[in-house]
Amino acid sequence: DAGVTQSPTHLIKTRGQQVTLRCSPKSGHDTVSWYQQALGQGPQFIFQYYEEEERQRGNFPDRFSGHQFPNYSSELNVNALLLGDSALYLCASSLGAGGNYGYTFGSGTRLTVV
Amino acid sequence: GESVGLHLPTLSVQEGDNSIINCAYSNSASDYFIWYKQESGKGPQFIIDIRSNMDKRQGQRVTVLLNKTVKHLSLQIAATQPGDSAVYFCADLEYGNKLVFGAGTILRVKS
Repeated sequence: DAGVTQSPTHLIKTRGQQVTLRCSPKSGHDTVSWYQQALGQGPQFIFQYYEEEERQRGNFPDRFSGHQFPNYSSELNVNALLLGDSALYLCASSLGAGGNYGYTFGSGTRLTVV
Repeated sequence: GESVGLHLPTLSVQEGDNSIINCAYSNSASDYFIWYKQESGKGPQFIIDIRSNMDKRQGQRVTVLLNKTVKHLSLQIAATQPGDSAVYFCADLEYGNKLVFGAGTILRVKS
């Protein structure tokens, strides 16, 4: 049973560019949450998608947007990249938006902005 | 918003000893707490959780204690092994679907 799959694993982008990160949830999960983890810090909640809609959003600018597809997979898009966007981006999937059945994290996408 | 934080950034223990990792939280409304382990190059891995109607929960070699009076959590790892070396985070689940993580504690196990 595959867990959460994220792609790509590593990415280098230039300031001002746009990036798209992808996430396939664990089999049986229907909810995807995205987190940003800066080096040496805990993950910070970006947003959560359930039933193809953004259900909750953390304190991130509109440059961060997302999408969920009918097969429950999700994309995270970041526009006008800043150096400070360099981080590990984690996807977590769960069954239902409430998290009562636990979250499974992927290994993340390491984004470096130069 | 309110946050969950840790007292000690780094903990070094001898293999076979018990480890205790501490966490303070500030949101008195928090009712669900989770400990995660994160190894290098991997995402957070669930270790154990506890709800606010409990003060202790045990798993395999791990125990979580919750003191709601002082808003404090601890993770105890028995007979620490080299494979336990990682960063440990406590987190609380806010509004039912948003995990709020602390900064993390690095656990180093000396052989």
